[in-house]
Amino acid sequence: DAGITQSPRHKVTETGTPVTLRCHQTENHRYMYWYRQDPGHGLRLIHYSYGVKDTDKGEVSDGYSVSRSKTEDFLLTLESATSSQTSVYFCAIGRDGSTDTQYFGPGTRLTVL
Amino acid sequence: QKEVEQNSGPLSVPEGAIASLNCTYSDRVSQSFFWYRQYSGKSPELIMSIYSNGDKEDGRFTAQLNKASQYVSLLIRDSQPSDSATYLCAVNDGGTSYGKLTFGQGTILTVHP
Repeated sequence: DAGITQSPRHKVTETGTPVTLRCHQTENHRYMYWYRQDPGHGLRLIHYSYGVKDTDKGEVSDGYSVSRSKTEDFLLTLESATSSQTSVYFCAIGRDGSTDTQYFGPGTRLTVL
Repeated sequence: QKEVEQNSGPLSVPEGAIASLNCTYSDRVSQSFFWYRQYSGKSPELIMSIYSNGDKEDGRFTAQLNKASQYVSLLIRDSQPSDSATYLCAVNDGGTSYGKLTFGQGTILTVHP
């Protein structure tokens, strides 16, 4: 499982509430990524990080922010959740020396009512 | 916008047959290509990576890459019911060094006994 955990694994929330998803890795890798997966859209990159406090936007970053204050943790925040953000969220790590190769966490299923 | 295209399927093959999965991509400078397998309700699992033109074999799996045609494929020999899953093609962003990947929508494979 590449030493990646995500929390929570399932969450139901209401429109307009803030939500934070956590990705934790035990292998000290530099690169971390947040994706969302929706039927008909495959995996789409939300944000990524290439080091502590170094982050950048991906393809679908609107409505999301991220933070990385420690190597092992990458947080994804929905500032004000909307129903369109109902999705399955996956975190991935890129192993140093072969950063294009990504390994995924177990995912978080988020439902926004 | 970089695109990765896959037939969504479903692709249905009998047990023991060869399953052929195809993927085309738009970014001519991409250098790294990946196939992931995703079982229903699970996270994507890396099964093959390929970087050079030609074939790469790993057990029952063979990845084929043709950069001139911007085409990558995955062959699964002696298909088993346990191979039934969604197969995701991923291509790196050749213009950056952050390991970003673009994924296709995935092909659903069903292997029937």
